[in-house]
This record gives sequence, C-alpha cells and structure tokens, in this order.
Amino acid sequence: QLVESGGGLVQPGGSLRLSCAVSSFPVNSNYMGWVRQAPGKGLEWVSLLYSDRLTYHADSMKARFTVSRDTSRNTLYLQMNSLRVEDTAVYYCARLQNWGGAFDVWGQGTMVTVSS
Amino acid sequence: SYVLTQPPSVSVAPGQTARLTCVGSNLGSKSVHWSRQKPGQAPVLVVSGDSGRPSGIPERFSASNNGYTATLTISRVEAGDEADYFCQVWDTTSDHYVFGTGTKVTVL
Repeated sequence: QLVESGGGLVQPGGSLRLSCAVSSFPVNSNYMGWVRQAPGKGLEWVSLLYSDRLTYHADSMKARFTVSRDTSRNTLYLQMNSLRVEDTAVYYCARLQNWGGAFDVWGQGTMVTVSS
Repeated sequence: SYVLTQPPSVSVAPGQTARLTCVGSNLGSKSVHWSRQKPGQAPVLVVSGDSGRPSGIPERFSASNNGYTATLTISRVEAGDEADYFCQVWDTTSDHYVFGTGTKVTVL
C-alpha cells in the first residue's frame, strides 16, 4: 500500500528526496508522516503532514527536511538537505489514523546511508 | 523534550503473560499507542489508544494507562510474539510525535 523509494548512498552535506507512493487511499485526505530507524536503534519520528500548510518536523531535522505531497501522483515526499552521518537510517512512511493517533499503515522502508 | 521510557528487555515463557511498561510524564492525559516490529520488518500497530486493536491483532493484546505508566499486556504468549515493542504518543506541548525507547520481548 505504501512503497518508499529514493534512498541510497550520499555524502555528508548532500541531498536526497524520498518518495512514498500510496495505492490504497488518497494522501490528500489522510495524515501522513515519516519515521526513521538507525541501524540497531529504535524508532525516531521525523515529520508529519496534516495539510499543505500544516507540517511538523523533529527538532534535529527542522530546516533541513521538508515533507510534502503531490495529490495528482498520490505520493508523499521527504526532501532531505544538508545530510549528516547521523541521518543514516531506514526511512519509513506511514499513515496516521487521526490527529494525535497511531501510525496504522506503514511502508517497508528505504535505506539512506550518509558516508564519505 | 518529552521522553517515553521502556525497559530494554522482557523475557517470558510460552503461555505466560508479558507486561510491557511505558513511563512518561502526565501520560494519563495522552493517547498511548503500541507497535510491534519483528527483525527486518516494518512496524505494525497492535493497539491504538483511540481505537483499540486493529483487525488481525488477537485479543491476547490489550493496553491500559494509569496516568504515569502505560502497559501493554500480552496474554498466553506465543513464540511468534517475539519482537521489539514501541509505545508512542503525540505530545501536544511540543507538537512532536514521540516513540518510546522500545522493549525487546524474548520468548523462552
């Protein structure tokens, strides 16, 4: 239902754009987000998109990461700039059930490796 | 920033009950959700604080929240329950989504 792409190897300071293609529900009527997991670590929230004008990002990623959507493609995006080694992780996109609710549908994730 | 603390590991024998805790400040005012993650797989929601168990999650999984500690109870534990479990909340003070540190459940 959710298929992420766009991950890969990038040098520190570089940029990547992750995509999350959604096939079973419209992104413009659902709350969507990104969650990441560094190797061997726990889950870390990255961003939430409630509407085109209401987005939230974790403090360490604010001003570097931007979440957006394309309703014509039914796809969620995460633009990541100024990448750091500590951004290395599997990035999952997920649907939020409701405002303040649980992530109830998850993609399989895409790996981002930041290394020189 | 808001913090949710979980014990790193819990071991339980098959058929017994596992109780996984999640501690956070003023947790009773928040809706606590629980997800399970098996190695190499994406997380799966097992209990929503708003809507309970999603379809496909057995009744053996239940959750409670007493104000300071939220608990996920897994009854009649099976080998297939072995996984990492994460609690999570939306913190309205910071407008941040917060995941707990995670508990690895080992079935003996």
